Amino acid sequence: QKEVEQDPGPLSVPEGAIVSLNCTYSNSAFQYFMWYRQYSRKGPELLMYTYSSGNKEDGRFTAQVDKSSKYISLFIRDSQPSDSATYLCAMGGKLTFGTGTQLKVEL
Amino acid sequence: GAGVSQSPSNKVTEKGKDVELRCDPISGHTALYWYRQSLGQGLEFLIYFQGNSAPDKSGLPSDRFSAERTGGSVSTLTIQRTQQEDSAVYLCASRTGGVGTEAFFGQGTRLTVV
Repeated sequence: QKEVEQDPGPLSVPEGAIVSLNCTYSNSAFQYFMWYRQYSRKGPELLMYTYSSGNKEDGRFTAQVDKSSKYISLFIRDSQPSDSATYLCAMGGKLTFGTGTQLKVEL
Repeated sequence: GAGVSQSPSNKVTEKGKDVELRCDPISGHTALYWYRQSLGQGLEFLIYFQGNSAPDKSGLPSDRFSAERTGGSVSTLTIQRTQQEDSAVYLCASRTGGVGTEAFFGQGTRLTVV
């Protein structure tokens, strides 16, 4: 079993939809949780970072962490075609990554 | 520089040749990471440097892979006797050092072994 599990998708949604991306993890020692966005042929860029249970909001993006369930989520409101990318969760000191979820937002 | 710089951006090599991939981290960042990303896969951890030492090299897939970092700055990942399964994008990231700090990634080196 991988330390971090993420549904690879692909996930296709219409413009304006709310998107929910999720990861589960097995290592209870993980304290830091991050979401990265990666466009094709580019390096990952940090979207959201949190180190506690609960919600953190930044514009259209909300990161949610439930340490008791070892489950994290990223919500994207009012999704745009420019949000089409691969979204990777990462956690822990040495950044253990999920496999990434490919998202496509269609007009 | 302003960001993490990796070179070359693309490398095509013949099976059996050695290759060197370079990472120039953000100035002042003491922690440096190498990852490998195969087509359609997530990022696979290879090695982590804190300063010039590598406290965690558990992700290196075989003894054909090695990495060094000099002067607490530039790092080189070397793959000897390349195999076709080594074809992937090799990504480097740096952070200021604390585990709670943001990691910045370079654009990667796309390695193709033919």
